[in-house]
Amino acid sequence: GENVEQHPSTLSVQEGDSAVIKCTYSDSASNYFPWYKQELGKRPQLIIDIRSNVGEKKDQRIAVTLNKTAKHFSLHITETQPEDSAVYFCAATLYNNNDMRFGAGTRLTVKP
Amino acid sequence: DGGITQSPKYLFRKEGQNVTLSCEQNLNHDAMYWYRQDPGQGLRLIYYSQIVNDFQKGDIAEGYSVSREKKESFPLTVTSAQKNPTAFYLCASSGGQGNQPQHFGDGTRLSIL
Repeated sequence: GENVEQHPSTLSVQEGDSAVIKCTYSDSASNYFPWYKQELGKRPQLIIDIRSNVGEKKDQRIAVTLNKTAKHFSLHITETQPEDSAVYFCAATLYNNNDMRFGAGTRLTVKP
Repeated sequence: DGGITQSPKYLFRKEGQNVTLSCEQNLNHDAMYWYRQDPGQGLRLIYYSQIVNDFQKGDIAEGYSVSREKKESFPLTVTSAQKNPTAFYLCASSGGQGNQPQHFGDGTRLSIL
């Protein structure tokens, strides 16, 4: 089955700097890659997703890139703000299969 | 999302007791899921259901059971066979086959008395 690895497990940046979180997946048939943000004690919320027919997607300060050949995808947050502090999870899933696999999470801390 | 409701928010289980966690959605989603979240770990899939009256085991189904009698509801029972049930349980739903984002409830925190 699919295996998703996420790095780093913790990340601390200064406000205004960029943050990058990387994930690798094992099954080349996976074709949907969402990213979730989870604040302490709250539900995970989708922040951006990408499908395998696209190499990059941007939404304001957030972008995701996908390298299908290398089987890795990354989350980029620019101009970080303290409210970006949270745990971020990547995930991967196969088409026609609802068995979504999550990475272990990255705790991002943005220092004011 | 307000469309997925989990209850209760906190739950305590005694030794040898079965407890049931509720998950209801009004998003008209076909698929529903149960995840377990332990500190410092990602979400691990317990069970998922793609349609009414059908469900599949995830990676850590042992000690858990589910039912899907209605499209809106997907309750999870933590049985006494689950020896380490203390965790944060998240229910989610999605609108169909793969390539759809999952929407999560607020979770239930289960502890052992």
